[in-house]
Formats: sequence, structure tokens, C-alpha cells
Amino acid sequence: AQTVTQSQPEMSVQEAETVTLSCTYDTSESDYYLFWYKQPPSRQMILVIRQEAYKQQNATENRFSVNFQKAAKSFSLKISDSQLGDAAMYFCAYRDSSGGSNYKLTFGKGTLLTVNP
Amino acid sequence: GAGVSQTPSNKVTEKGKYVELRCDPISGHTALYWYRQSLGQGPEFLIYFQGTGAADDSGLPNDRFFAVRPEGSVSTLKIQRTERGDSAVYLCASSENRNTEAFFGQGTRLTVV
Repeated sequence: AQTVTQSQPEMSVQEAETVTLSCTYDTSESDYYLFWYKQPPSRQMILVIRQEAYKQQNATENRFSVNFQKAAKSFSLKISDSQLGDAAMYFCAYRDSSGGSNYKLTFGKGTLLTVNP
Repeated sequence: GAGVSQTPSNKVTEKGKYVELRCDPISGHTALYWYRQSLGQGPEFLIYFQGTGAADDSGLPNDRFFAVRPEGSVSTLKIQRTERGDSAVYLCASSENRNTEAFFGQGTRLTVV
């Protein structure tokens, strides 16, 4: 079974600075998707960024970028120019790209990000 | 609707009671999912519907939990004889099909006292 581990329960960053959230995962599959979701106090899970395992290029979405290291099974999220609105729980998630359970997301335990003004 | 809608937003019930949680997915989305998020944890998969049928209910913790989607749109998660350990946020998500991005609702926070 796939597992996702987030080793940082909490992180903090100063407004306008850069922060990196860590995630490692375990899978025997060669093709899969990795995601970072943001969950503000409203509880809605919002997709921040997605990476397809077969793509070597790291995904980027505006101030958000990932460092995907397939061999090391590592998938970190970098937030540049942090804003107060970035404060939230961040979850790393995994999904198979094919096969019988490719609809199922497996989440880590989350990292609570605080942004200090 | 514009997004996935879940009702109620919050539900407090007494131990042993029956509860129903409702999910109204994005119009046209054939795939619907329920996840449970316990305090301090990430969401955990409960059940997946493709159309009207439960294609995978392997995540339901026991037979007190049941979900339906009779017309392939709205889904209801039903919990019988609630226990304090059932307290959690129940998240619903939908997607166009099983291979595309899932969009989440704001969840129902269930508290069993």
C-alpha cells in the first residue's frame, strides 16, 4: 500500500520570505500523481499544485513550485514571497495513474503553516 | 452548482443516534468520493461512487456506515448507532470521471457527544 509522510507538523515563515514543506512517499508503482492541497479554516481542500511522475520537469504554479525527486521518493513544496493568505494546513497526497484504485487519494498528516506579518 | 456542497456544515449528535450527511456534487460529475478526516490527520478514503453504484466501499470502517447515490447525483452518508470515535470532518469530493481532478466540498464536522 502507498504511504505518504509529512515530517513537519508545523512550520512558520515571515511574510515575503520563502518556505519549503517536506513530503516523502512510498510506492511500488512507476507512474503516479503527487499533489499538494491547502486546507484553510473553511475546511475545503484546495488543489495547489500537481506533479505527474513521468515528467522530469518540476511543476510550477505562480509562487508555488515543487522539488520532485523520484528516486528518493521526495516531493517538497516551495512557497515564495509568502503571503498572509497562505496560512493553512498543507497536505501532500498520492494517487496511482492507472490500475484498479487510481481514483483514490492517499494523504499525509499535514503541515500547519503560519505566516508572520 | 458551482462547487461541491455539503450539508449540514456542522452536526452535533448524541451517542447511539442515527445521522445523515448530504453531498451535492458538481453538476455532470459522475464520480463521487467520501473521505473522513479525524483530528490531526489527513483525509482517509471511505467510498467511491461511479454513477449510482458504489464501485469501492473498502474504506467504510464497519457496517454502521452506509452511503447511497440513488440518482447518480446527490449522495448521502448514513451512520447508525453513532459512537464518539465517529467524530470527524466528513469530506465529499466529485470529479468528471475517476481519472480527473477531484474537487472537494467544505465538509461536515460531526461531533458525537
